[in-house]
Amino acid sequence: QVQLVESGGGLVKPGGSLRLSCAASGFTFSDYYMSWIRQAPGKGLEWVSYISSSGSTIYYADSVKGRFTISRDNAKNSLYLQMNSLRAEDTAVYYCAREGAAPFGYWGQGTLVTVSS
Amino acid sequence: NFMLTQPHSVSESPGKTVTISCTGSSGSIASNYVQWYQQRPGSAPTTVIYEDNQRPSGVPDRFSGSIDSSSNSASLTISGLKTEDEADYYCQSYDSSKPHWVFGGGTKLTVL
Repeated sequence: QVQLVESGGGLVKPGGSLRLSCAASGFTFSDYYMSWIRQAPGKGLEWVSYISSSGSTIYYADSVKGRFTISRDNAKNSLYLQMNSLRAEDTAVYYCAREGAAPFGYWGQGTLVTVSS
Repeated sequence: NFMLTQPHSVSESPGKTVTISCTGSSGSIASNYVQWYQQRPGSAPTTVIYEDNQRPSGVPDRFSGSIDSSSNSASLTISGLKTEDEADYYCQSYDSSKPHWVFGGGTKLTVL
């Protein structure tokens, strides 16, 4: 069965950096595009970034463009999100998601990123 | 920027039917598929409707989706409400001009 497990969240100071990982299992990782979606505490869902199955096509939300970098390692069945110049408004639970019948058909359990001094 | 607008909350009694709307800000909402996700407290979202009106396996047929081009809106209808349907529901579509994926602000469904 499809399993997505995020890690790497934590407390970081404004201006700091963090790298999130998403370990995938139960499917052929290299066949699917992947996304990061975040949810600020008590708020709604916000799409953050997309990467195609090969990694050749990447998109970012305007709110993170230039600060966040999405990548994947198909040999390691892993998805990453490098987050730099973090701001308080980046505080959220970050989910990785795989396409399914829907664009975000499968979700991980999320990892919490808190940006605070 | 393309946006999706949902009511903040809706409530209805068990056994009744409720409809949650999702209105597109510009262009035609029918131009790209709309999905609906259910999120229970403390859990990740799950898909209840994809491609406007398709149900994933395991989602009861009490859930249905539709598109109304005249009002540029999508709707999620849940019939025979159960207390377990109480959750946040998000519509989602695609802004092909960017390209970006877009979520509505979410609707909290209370079944009381």
